[in-house]
Amino acid sequence: QSVLTQPPSVSAAPGQKVTISCSGSSSNVANNYVSWSQQLPGTAPKLLIYDDDKRPSGIPDRFSGSKSGTSATLGITGLQTGDEADYYCGTWDSSLSAVVFGGGTKLTVL
Amino acid sequence: QLHLQESGPGLVKPLETLSLICTVSGGSINSPNHYWGWIRQPPGKGLEWIGSIYYSGSTYYNPSLKSRVTISIDTSKNQFSLNLRSVTAADTAVYFCARDESLGEFDSWGQGTLVTVSS
Repeated sequence: QSVLTQPPSVSAAPGQKVTISCSGSSSNVANNYVSWSQQLPGTAPKLLIYDDDKRPSGIPDRFSGSKSGTSATLGITGLQTGDEADYYCGTWDSSLSAVVFGGGTKLTVL
Repeated sequence: QLHLQESGPGLVKPLETLSLICTVSGGSINSPNHYWGWIRQPPGKGLEWIGSIYYSGSTYYNPSLKSRVTISIDTSKNQFSLNLRSVTAADTAVYFCARDESLGEFDSWGQGTLVTVSS
């Protein structure tokens, strides 16, 4: 059971938009920066979003992050088949004094 | 460009110690701007943070693994390492090392190494 809650799977058609939620609490999401990572099959995770809503260099603006209270959201527009991957949210939990991850969300581009 | 590479045995016997090294190239590990972390992923499952270390040697561990984990850093070799004691089959996973921007934001990852615990 992960400290952060993500939907196990989401799906959408190519060209459409999808959002992935990450629900936490006051000890993690609400008061610490959230990051999002993409893990393509058989590869290491790759940072997509940091500090809630910032993109590292090279990440297209089709990817966006937002946060409100104890929930964070990853948005992906203009879906491509190459976006099919597992997506993880992560943050610091001040009560646990630990980095915590969501359980991951598998994105299928139909 | 920063590159991280995990190395170590791919097979460890139950109750023995799992030891991995992460070698960093393309940048200095001796930087006050970053932490260095270990994350694992059991087959078919999600990510689990093991712990992170600061260049000064300060460590932060997952409470659920803290009693069995030691992470250390060797700035002269630009490496940091993981020791996980008394392993069981539940410790079978792909182990990743990563640069940790701010305790939870991993911006550069190694390719990962599969460690199987089996007799």
